[in-house]
Amino acid sequence: KQEVTQIPAALSVPEGENLVLNCSFTDSAIYNLQWFRQDPGKGLTSLLLIQSSQREQTSGRLNASLDKSSGRSTLYIAASQPGDSATYLCAGPAREGGSEKLVFGKGMKLTVNP
Amino acid sequence: ETGVTQTPRHLVMGMTNKKSLKCEQHLGHNAMYWYKQSAKKPLELMFVYNFKEQTENNSVPSRFSPECPNSSHLFLHLHTLQPEDSALYLCASSQDQQAQETQYFGPGTRLLVL
Repeated sequence: KQEVTQIPAALSVPEGENLVLNCSFTDSAIYNLQWFRQDPGKGLTSLLLIQSSQREQTSGRLNASLDKSSGRSTLYIAASQPGDSATYLCAGPAREGGSEKLVFGKGMKLTVNP
Repeated sequence: ETGVTQTPRHLVMGMTNKKSLKCEQHLGHNAMYWYKQSAKKPLELMFVYNFKEQTENNSVPSRFSPECPNSSHLFLHLHTLQPEDSALYLCASSQDQQAQETQYFGPGTRLLVL
């Protein structure tokens, strides 16, 4: 059964730091992993989807990597800004009971202080 | 703007009330999802509809009743809820029901059951 873990649950940093957000998963047969952002009181916004055939996926200041052998994905945020403050969630696919679904981590709440 | 709208945004109801949550997507997607997001817990998948047919019921209590009249609209009918059902209910859609498809989320309905 796929389980997705994000540690730590919260992180507070000063503006300008380069950040690494961690996500671990138990099923190494994963074929992709997604990173989402959630602002307070709002839904999730997809940031990056990285396939198992890719090692990295980049969008602006965001870079996601996926290492199936170690069961880990990281989201790298360069030169963090106060506007990056949000909860970041990772999710991986799981096949259960003959159907596929996304399994989410609990999320990591990021606060970037000006 | 994600193209997925949800109404109402906030709802307070007593345990004997009957209410409905509405989700509409303007993206031409074929799959729609209901998720429950409770504090300190991962996002939980509740129901999935693909081409208007229910393909996933994640052991959800019968006091939650989904309805998908067409591929653009999804409802969640609520009756005799419990206080522990208080949560953020998120709707999402994707092109098809495959885990590699990016899911687009609505802003959610914040539900409080008294």
